[in-house]
Amino acid sequence: EVQLVESGGGLVQPGGSLRLSCAVSGFTFSTYWMSWVRQAPGRGMEWVANIKVDGSEKYYVDSVKGRFTISRDNAENSLYLQMNSLRAEDTAVYYCVREGRLLDYWGQGTLVTVSS
Amino acid sequence: DVVMTQSPLSLPVTLGQPASISCRSSHSLVYSDGNTYLNWFQQRPGQSPRRLIYKVSNRDSGVPDRFSGSGSGTDFTLKISRVEAEDVGVYFCMQGTHWPFTFGPGTKVDIK
Repeated sequence: EVQLVESGGGLVQPGGSLRLSCAVSGFTFSTYWMSWVRQAPGRGMEWVANIKVDGSEKYYVDSVKGRFTISRDNAENSLYLQMNSLRAEDTAVYYCVREGRLLDYWGQGTLVTVSS
Repeated sequence: DVVMTQSPLSLPVTLGQPASISCRSSHSLVYSDGNTYLNWFQQRPGQSPRRLIYKVSNRDSGVPDRFSGSGSGTDFTLKISRVEAEDVGVYFCMQGTHWPFTFGPGTKVDIK
């Protein structure tokens, strides 16, 4: 069974940092692109970033470029999102999602709240 | 960026009746590999999204056959042949052809 479990969310002040993690199981992690997608409260979905199977290619939505970094550890079956210089508008549930273009399996999400 | 629009944004339906959601993109979603990366997702209240349809018309495993997807280029449709109570939720389309990938605003389906 494919499972993706996010962790690392919480309350952080504007300008602060958080690192999200996603532990996966049930599939060969090293053969899939992976993505982060977020959903702000009461709003729609926004694709944030994704990463190629070996980490050699990474793509970001403009609003997080230079502040967020996606990474992966294939030996540990884990995906990460380092978020720096956080802003109020980054407040959202962040989902770890398998695949790049097809987004086939989603985790349960972790809530990030940016507030003073 | 490719803008995805959906209509209607709210869809009250009668149990057992059909429902249809339209999704339009500002650019053609045909990718250089010949595929059209238009996917449909369902998000039930309090749950994570679940993919229903990928690449326009391919139904995911375990998805009831009352769900179907169609369309091409810039115009796409998700149809539910007979709505059941468990279909209540928000449905959104998403394009995975052009960076950055973008989602439609979502259509809220509920029972009349």
